[in-house]
Amino acid sequence: GAGVSQSPSNKVTEKGKDVELRCDPISGHTALYWYRQSLGQGLEFLIYFQGNSAPDKSGLPSDRFSAERTGGSVSTLTIQRTQQEDSAVYLCASSLIPSDTQYFGPGTRLTVL
Amino acid sequence: QKEVEQDPGPLSVPEGAIVSLNCTYSNSAFQYFMWYRQYSRKGPELLMYTYSSGNKEDGRFTAQVDKSSKYISLFIRDSQPSDSATYLCAMNAGGTSYGKLTFGQGTILTVHP
Repeated sequence: GAGVSQSPSNKVTEKGKDVELRCDPISGHTALYWYRQSLGQGLEFLIYFQGNSAPDKSGLPSDRFSAERTGGSVSTLTIQRTQQEDSAVYLCASSLIPSDTQYFGPGTRLTVL
Repeated sequence: QKEVEQDPGPLSVPEGAIVSLNCTYSNSAFQYFMWYRQYSRKGPELLMYTYSSGNKEDGRFTAQVDKSSKYISLFIRDSQPSDSATYLCAMNAGGTSYGKLTFGQGTILTVHP
C-alpha cells in the first residue's frame, strides 16, 4: 500500500515568510510524528499526535512553529516568520499505534534565504 | 551534551567487511532501542528493534544492547555496496514517551566494491 507522503518535496522561501508543510500518513495509522533533520543537529523530535489526545508539543523549538492534524489523518506543520536557521529537512512519520514501528515519509527540504 | 552520541564518521569499508556502528546514551529511562537506515534523499527506515540488554540477529545484521554501560551497537556482516547509507540509532523511554524517539547524529557508511 501507499506509504507516508509529504508535500512539497522542496520549498524555498524568503526570511520572514510563513510556510506550510503537509503530511499524509498511512491510512489507519493513529499516531503521527514530525521531526526535523539538519546538518548540525541531526534528527530532532518536534511534535506527536495520538488519536484524539492533546498533542505532545515538547519538541517545538519556538512559538513560530505549530502543527495540526485534521480528522485524525492529514497533518500540517506551519512555520511563521521563517528564519535561516529553520532551513532543514522536515520529516513526517506515522505508526499504527504509538509503540509500533514509525514509517517515515521522504521529507520536505526547506531552504530559507 | 546530547542525550545520544553517535560517531558521524564517515566510515568507508571494502565489500565483505564487518561493520560496527555504535551509540552511547545518558538517559537511563531509555528502554527501547532501534537502528534506522537512511538512503540519500529518503526517509529513515527501521532495520532493527530491541528491548532490554542482549543481542538480536536478523540476517547479516546484529543489534546489541548493554544497558549497564548505556551502549548499543549494530554489526553488519559481509557488507555490500547496497548497505551504503546513513545509519541512525534511536531510542525512547516507552510509556507516554513511546512516540518520542531520540536519535543519534547518524553514521555515514560507504561500502566500496
